[in-house]
Amino acid sequence: DAKTTQPTSMDCAEGRAANLPCNHSTISGNEYVYWYRQIHSQGPQYIIHGLKNNETNEMASLIITEDRKSSTLILPHATLRDTAVYYCIVRASMYNNNDMRFGAGTRLTVKP
Amino acid sequence: SQTIHQWPATLVQPVGSPLSLECTVEGTSNPNLYWYRQAAGRGLQLLFYSVGIGQISSEVPQNLSASRPQDRQFILSSKKLLLSDSGFYLCAWATLPGLAGGWYTGELFFGEGSRLTVL
Repeated sequence: DAKTTQPTSMDCAEGRAANLPCNHSTISGNEYVYWYRQIHSQGPQYIIHGLKNNETNEMASLIITEDRKSSTLILPHATLRDTAVYYCIVRASMYNNNDMRFGAGTRLTVKP
Repeated sequence: SQTIHQWPATLVQPVGSPLSLECTVEGTSNPNLYWYRQAAGRGLQLLFYSVGIGQISSEVPQNLSASRPQDRQFILSSKKLLLSDSGFYLCAWATLPGLAGGWYTGELFFGEGSRLTVL
């Protein structure tokens, strides 16, 4: 039972911002939104997470709508190395990893 | 710093043969450990997780099993492989908030993966 919906694929021009959407319309008040990415033939890598407020770190920004039913991961200046599958995950607790469910994700292709 | 290693990186096995994939974590203690499988072009499926030595929880009934003989060692096994067992197997670990130090993110740290092809 998928808790999130993401587009199957997206393209982005190198140097431009990549905006990856995620719908999580059934999210409950205490559930977190996590983003991971997986470069081909590697293990997934944590990017960022948030609960209600927008978050930013050295990799990306996470914008969560006020009703929390959707979010957008922003890579401000995409590079070719950002080509990967990006997973949006909703989880009940940041202290319990046993409910980490990875869907199909969005395949982002950064083009020169 | 913490590291996670799994091996072998690649293996090709005939149907009906046994399987053993090993994962070890260094630089931390009492981690939660996980085995995921990724079929070609699909998302990750959680197979097993462990919160301590000898404690294994199975997410999906199948012909695979897992064991945790030591605190930082996690093994995935099968007595008889099926064609459907082919895939990319990933081991992961997570720490507990009290042991994380600094800013706790609740993230999973993944190994390099083991690609299994069953013929």
